[in-house]
Amino acid sequence: DGGITQSPKYLFRKEGQNVTLSCEQNLNHDAMYWYRQDPGQGLRLIYYSQIVNDFQKGDIAEGYSVSREKKESFPLTVTSAQKNPTAFYLCASRISGTPNTEAFFGQGTRLTVV
Amino acid sequence: AQKVTQAQTEISVVEKEDVTLDCVYETRDTTYYLFWYKQPPSGELVFLIRRNSFDEQNEISGRYSWNFQKSTSSFNFTITASQVVDSAVYFCALSEGHYGQNFVFGPGTRLSVLP
Repeated sequence: DGGITQSPKYLFRKEGQNVTLSCEQNLNHDAMYWYRQDPGQGLRLIYYSQIVNDFQKGDIAEGYSVSREKKESFPLTVTSAQKNPTAFYLCASRISGTPNTEAFFGQGTRLTVV
Repeated sequence: AQKVTQAQTEISVVEKEDVTLDCVYETRDTTYYLFWYKQPPSGELVFLIRRNSFDEQNEISGRYSWNFQKSTSSFNFTITASQVVDSAVYFCALSEGHYGQNFVFGPGTRLSVLP
């Protein structure tokens, strides 16, 4: 079945550690996105990529980093510079970077700082 | 900058009631697309509908209907005869830009349908 797989589902991080969230898609989509969701808030864009080896910062990129070495994969690293990383993280992809296509989402990773 | 507002934070209805979720957007583009997504407790967002800025026809799909009015920049979503399974967070989203890089979501409305 085609879709987006995020792992792990739950992740615990100690203060000062970097952690990497995985996002893999087999939909052959060019565009991929990372969003952060906090309680009572909508989805805020962290990073997006429209093509391999290229990515752009979203509204809240500080403290995060990404890579796009393969079309299928768009991992997100939450660095120690992110002061409040506890949140629900959603990865999405679209057929292309055109505005009329819907995004497909993974099931999310819930990150908690302990 | 583009913006999406969903003024209703939480709504509770009793099963079989009709309920309307409001969405108001702001954009300077003449070409844009509006979406509704449903987020059940599992967390994954599920696509419901897409509407482009040139098509103001209302749409009905089963118990769901959408009312798009450019004059008021609104794209409201109505569930008729609500069911407990409709309980979820619903997001309205706006997509614009030549490459679709601007894909902005509203804060969401949490709908609780009580038996």
